[in-house]
Amino acid sequence: DAGVTQSPTHLIKTRGQHVTLRCSPISGHKSVSWYQQVLGQGPQFIFQYYEKEERGRGNFPDRFSARQFPNYSSELNVNALLLGDSALYLCASSTGLAADEQFFGPGTRLTVL
Amino acid sequence: AQRVTQPEKLLSVFKGAPVELKCNYSYSGSPELFWYVQYSRQRLQLLLRHISRESIKGFTADLNKGETSFHLKKPFAQEEDSAMYYCALSTYNNNDMRFGAGTRLTVKP
Repeated sequence: DAGVTQSPTHLIKTRGQHVTLRCSPISGHKSVSWYQQVLGQGPQFIFQYYEKEERGRGNFPDRFSARQFPNYSSELNVNALLLGDSALYLCASSTGLAADEQFFGPGTRLTVL
Repeated sequence: AQRVTQPEKLLSVFKGAPVELKCNYSYSGSPELFWYVQYSRQRLQLLLRHISRESIKGFTADLNKGETSFHLKKPFAQEEDSAMYYCALSTYNNNDMRFGAGTRLTVKP
């Protein structure tokens, strides 16, 4: 198993555009969480999905949305991009809910110009 | 609201010296506490969690509910311990995980 995979690795967008980030969890994991990590800070929780349902949401605007598919992979969507959305976006999978061990992917580096 | 504070952004010690990375939290209920580590060019990974009460790579962490702390300790630091360390708190109520800002540990030869 390659572990959690994320695509793309890097992405450059301009303000106002929309972006979709993708995540494939470890085989057998039913939970996916998304985090935003700005330079110099720890990861900030955005969403958690378990069994295709949203089970947790962080303090992010409605421009951020996500979904989980029947194969447990997940997408994070961000609309109307702002310069402040530039960050490393991390996906983590786990067997259950947020208090279980999280296995992290390598992240997608988003730059908004 | 849940909050995790790591007061030191940088910590430098010599090889063989004891090391303590501080973590304080605020949460009124019973938290699940973790230490995650990120070595150079590697992914963020779990180091230890308080409920397992294990010693991983010589590191231990004790949950002190009175002081709301979960400090990470190692009696004799090694150069390979140099990494970024994050303290994290989770609860089953909210299904989220809060991370501290992280402490970069450098172990000098």
